[in-house]
Amino acid sequence: EVQLVESGGGLIQPGGSLRLSCAASGFTVSSNYMSWVRQAPGKGLEWVSVIYSGGSTYYADSVKGRFTISRDNSKNTLYLQMNSLRAEDTAVYYCAREGNYYDSSGQIIRGYFDYWGQGTLVTVSS
Amino acid sequence: EIVMTQSPATLSVSPGERATLSCRASQSVSSNLAWYQQKPGQAPRLLIYGASTRATGIPARFSGSGSGTEFTLTISSLQSEDFAVYYCQQYNNWPPKVYTFGQGTKLEIK
Repeated sequence: EVQLVESGGGLIQPGGSLRLSCAASGFTVSSNYMSWVRQAPGKGLEWVSVIYSGGSTYYADSVKGRFTISRDNSKNTLYLQMNSLRAEDTAVYYCAREGNYYDSSGQIIRGYFDYWGQGTLVTVSS
Repeated sequence: EIVMTQSPATLSVSPGERATLSCRASQSVSSNLAWYQQKPGQAPRLLIYGASTRATGIPARFSGSGSGTEFTLTISSLQSEDFAVYYCQQYNNWPPKVYTFGQGTKLEIK
């Protein structure tokens, strides 16, 4: 059974740092595309970052230069290092696995999220 | 950046009736569109990917249609557990990857 369990959230002052973890079971993190998606209180979903199976990483403009996504293959765990935190980073942070399928031409299509963790709340406030 | 616009923001429907939710992309995303359901205090749940393919375990009363810029999620006969917020998401940008969600439609009991 696929499971994703986030941890590491909490209350942090503006300008501070926090590292989120997402422990996976039932599949191999390093063989999949893995993302972080966040949701501010009462708001919609915002994609934050992705790490490809090959190791390439991408970020939303809102966090570029401040957040770093990584993984530990030996622990089958995904991370999000968050630096220079701002009040607007306050949100529930979800880790999510990308699903994939082959289209009619045989090309692999990725980009939707088939499994999500339960989320961890990050509150940036003084 | 591709902008996803969902309508209406809130939809009031009676149990047993049909609900139709819309999602529009600011430019073509082909069929690279997913739908999610989110209940209060829970993570989103994948319903539909590839615009029309139901995810594993999703009841047949959920169906998706559309391509290009116009998409629809239809729930044929609403059950009590279907009242939730629904999000669409495009995954056509390739690369660099930028995933964008609609702002959500809240489906409430009439």
